[in-house]
Amino acid sequence: DVKVTQSSRYLVKRTGEKVFLECVQDMDHENMFWYRQDPGLGLRLIYFSYDVKMKEKGDIPEGYSVSREKKERFSLILESASTNQTSMYLCASSGRGNSPLHFGNGTRLTVT
Amino acid sequence: QQQVKQSPQSLIVQKGGIPIINCAYENTAFDYFPWYQQFPGKGPALLIAIRPDVSEKKEGRFTISFNKSAKQFSLHIMDSQPGDSATYFCAASIGGTYKYIFGTGTRLKVLA
Repeated sequence: DVKVTQSSRYLVKRTGEKVFLECVQDMDHENMFWYRQDPGLGLRLIYFSYDVKMKEKGDIPEGYSVSREKKERFSLILESASTNQTSMYLCASSGRGNSPLHFGNGTRLTVT
Repeated sequence: QQQVKQSPQSLIVQKGGIPIINCAYENTAFDYFPWYQQFPGKGPALLIAIRPDVSEKKEGRFTISFNKSAKQFSLHIMDSQPGDSATYFCAASIGGTYKYIFGTGTRLKVLA
């Protein structure tokens, strides 16, 4: 089974802090994604990566950046956390083409 | 044009009932329509998916009905069980773009 592991289940940070969310997948998938999940808004794509060192903006990239130095690892960075970034963050990976997304169990981030 | 509209927002049925969740889209370039199931504390997991060249797909108690002319698709859960209580997301994607557009989710509760 594909395993997508997010390093933290819960995270509490202060406004203005730099925050790193880490994600690792074990299936040699080319594509990796960061989504944000908010009630009533569904899943919104922040960034995705289709190869090492390659990235593309999703629908809501403002305030976020990403890093993919190794194929199995995809990091989401909040340069200066703000309270409106309090949310559930989901990492996902997929193989080529329209193959299914495999999600991690999420990181619930609270920014105070 | 890139939206996927999902309804209802929440649904309560008795055990054995047939909950139906509906999704509608505008972009006719979408060519892959998956449904994801999410239990509390877990990431979404692929449940069933359909391509627009078929009108129906069944996997166990789960059925997708697809109406290409109306640009709508729906999930039916036959003989629903309390263990089906979860949040369900529809999604749509365009082959090769890696990008999925998700609906806003339906919280289903099946009463014992």
